[in-house]
Amino acid sequence: GESVGLHLPTLSVQEGDNSIINCAYSNSASDYFIWYKQESGKGPQFIIDIRSNMDKRQGQRVTVLLNKTVKHLSLQIAATQPGDSAVYFCAEGLIRGGYQKVTFGTGTKLQVIP
Amino acid sequence: DTEVTQTPKHLVMGMTNKKSLKCEQHMGHRAMYWYKQKAKKPPELMFVYSYEKLSINESVPSRFSPECPNSSLLNLHLHALQPEDSALYLCASSLRVSGETQYFGPGTRLLVL
Repeated sequence: GESVGLHLPTLSVQEGDNSIINCAYSNSASDYFIWYKQESGKGPQFIIDIRSNMDKRQGQRVTVLLNKTVKHLSLQIAATQPGDSAVYFCAEGLIRGGYQKVTFGTGTKLQVIP
Repeated sequence: DTEVTQTPKHLVMGMTNKKSLKCEQHMGHRAMYWYKQKAKKPPELMFVYSYEKLSINESVPSRFSPECPNSSLLNLHLHALQPEDSALYLCASSLRVSGETQYFGPGTRLLVL
């Protein structure tokens, strides 16, 4: 079936270093992809998204790369800070019949070491 | 106002109880969603409302009954739940139902005894 998964369940990064969180997806028909950050006790927070017809998008300290050839998505966080510690979900968006359905991947826990 | 609010933050209920979860947004969004999130798992879509009408029901058991009384409010009525229904229930909203960013509330943590 269709799935959105992550390579690593936990990632530990030194403060100030760059973080790279990876995600594999299997549905080549996905219309867009989203990265969410979820801190403990909070709901998911939108970080950045990318349409399927793009291969790179940049935000503030974050960059998302999309490689449709190998069905791979990554989130790069520059100069990682303690406040970046959270679980990061990649999610797949499908738009059909005027409705969108967002399917979340399994999540990667990012631990920032001070 | 750029947030989605949910009440209560925590809820404990017995299997014979009836309770309701509430969600509110004042961003003018016309699509609202209910998700269920078990511990250490990703959120899973339950319901989608578009312009106050139920658009998608992801085969959710009838003991969960959603309601959208107006464009700013979304309720989830709970009745005869099971212990396995214990989870974090998340509400989200988006400007429209197609291709728009979803913004999530903090969730209601539900424990069914």
